[in-house]
Amino acid sequence: EIVLTQSPTTMAASPGEKVTLTCRASSSVSYMHWYQQRSGASPKLWIYETSKLASGVPNRFSGSGSGTSYSLTINSMETEDAATYYCQQGSSYPPTFGAGTKLELK
Amino acid sequence: EVQLVESGGGLVQPGRSLKLSCLASGFTFSNYGMNWIRQAPGKGLEWVASISSSSSYIYYADTVKGRFTISRDNAKNTLYLQMTSLRSEDTALYYCARGELNWFAYWGQGTLVTVSS
Repeated sequence: EIVLTQSPTTMAASPGEKVTLTCRASSSVSYMHWYQQRSGASPKLWIYETSKLASGVPNRFSGSGSGTSYSLTINSMETEDAATYYCQQGSSYPPTFGAGTKLELK
Repeated sequence: EVQLVESGGGLVQPGRSLKLSCLASGFTFSNYGMNWIRQAPGKGLEWVASISSSSSYIYYADTVKGRFTISRDNAKNTLYLQMTSLRSEDTALYYCARGELNWFAYWGQGTLVTVSS
């Protein structure tokens, strides 16, 4: 099973600040996918195949990476971006998720 | 609009069974693989099971293998999860999710399963 390690576990960012969340895989994966989960809501697909934004996702978000190291970046933090973000790999079974990064507004 | 509506959750005693359903609409259900993913209270996401569009391929997490059965009825646009020998560690919000290659494109609102005596 591929283990995904997200960092940091929790962080706070001010409006306008640049934010980078990291996801590291225990073995190389072809792509990484990201989900946003706001408090009390279901997860939503946010970024798929490492860098493709899901429908409706603002272009201040971007994704990058390869092999065992991936990241999600917010160019300029906004209030609505406060949420928990999970990375997920589907390159090998079982599909696995990271433990999440909780992003709070400072 | 894609909609996934789970039902069937509730309070159940350890060792008992429960069957979850997920009614899909807004897309051609028979064309997509489907999944169950759970989230224990205050915890992260855990993939539970997957089923291909025609039920030819089925996969389970080791934590539920031999106890849970995923199935689907394409005529009824419905996904199921039969859960037996339930344990306290199965307590979670259970989501159904539409598969898209190897990610999860759409999620339902979840149905809560609580295993407790």
